[in-house]
Amino acid sequence: QSALTQPRSVSGSPGQSVTISCTGTSSDVGGYNYVSWYQQHPGKAPKLMIYDVSKRPSGVPDRFSGSKSGNTASLTISGLQAEDEADYYCCSYAGSYTHWVFGGGTKLTVL
Amino acid sequence: QVTLRESGPALVKPTQTLTLTCTFSGFSLSTSGMCVSWIRQPPGKALEWLALIDWDDDKYYSTSLKTRLTISKDTSKNQVVLTMTNMDPVDTATYYCARIRTSGYDLSDAFDIWGQGTMVTVSS
Repeated sequence: QSALTQPRSVSGSPGQSVTISCTGTSSDVGGYNYVSWYQQHPGKAPKLMIYDVSKRPSGVPDRFSGSKSGNTASLTISGLQAEDEADYYCCSYAGSYTHWVFGGGTKLTVL
Repeated sequence: QVTLRESGPALVKPTQTLTLTCTFSGFSLSTSGMCVSWIRQPPGKALEWLALIDWDDDKYYSTSLKTRLTISKDTSKNQVVLTMTNMDPVDTATYYCARIRTSGYDLSDAFDIWGQGTMVTVSS
C-alpha cells in the first residue's frame, strides 16, 4: 500500500480538464512544499511534470498545473490531448526519517 | 545533457544479493547539492523510493528496506551502486536511478532526470 492516496483512474475527453488528487498526511504532503508529479507512458521511465507543488520544468506544457491544500495535492491537466493518456504519480518529501514517498498512481484515459 | 543508465543482472535467485550500477553523465556527484536516488516499480504497480546518496556521501534508505540496502558512489567513474541482499520474488521490479538536487537550484527536490530502468526478475 502506497503512502500517498491517488484515485486508481480518471478519464476525460479531448479538450476537457481533469484533476488528479494525491492525499497524504501532515508528515508529508501537508508538511512540505516538495510535492512533485510524474507522467509515465507504458514501458517508459517516469517524466517530471510538476515540482515544488506548482512549478513546471522547462518544456512541460502550461496545460499541466499543480496545487496543494492541506494534506492533499492536485494535478490538473487542461485541454486534454491524446498524448496525455498515461499513468501519473505524485511524490512528496516526508522528512528526515521517511524521506520520499510516492502515490499509488492514477491511470488517465483520454476518451 | 544529463543522462543516467542502469545496469545489472536481469535474473537473480532467491536469497542472492543484487548489485545494480547507475552510470551517469552531464553532472558531477561531487558538486554541492547533487544526489542520486534509486526507485523501483514492480510490474503493474506503483513506484517505490529505495535510497539516496548525496554529494557529501550522506546516505538515506527506505525505512522498510534499510537493513537490506547499501548505496555507494564512485565519483571518479560517475557511478552509483545499489546492493540489495536476500532477494525475494517480491523484489521483482524495474529498478530506476534518478538525479535529484537539493535546495539551491532552480529545479530542486524532485527527481528531474531518470534512467530508462533495468528489469530484475527474482526466480529460482
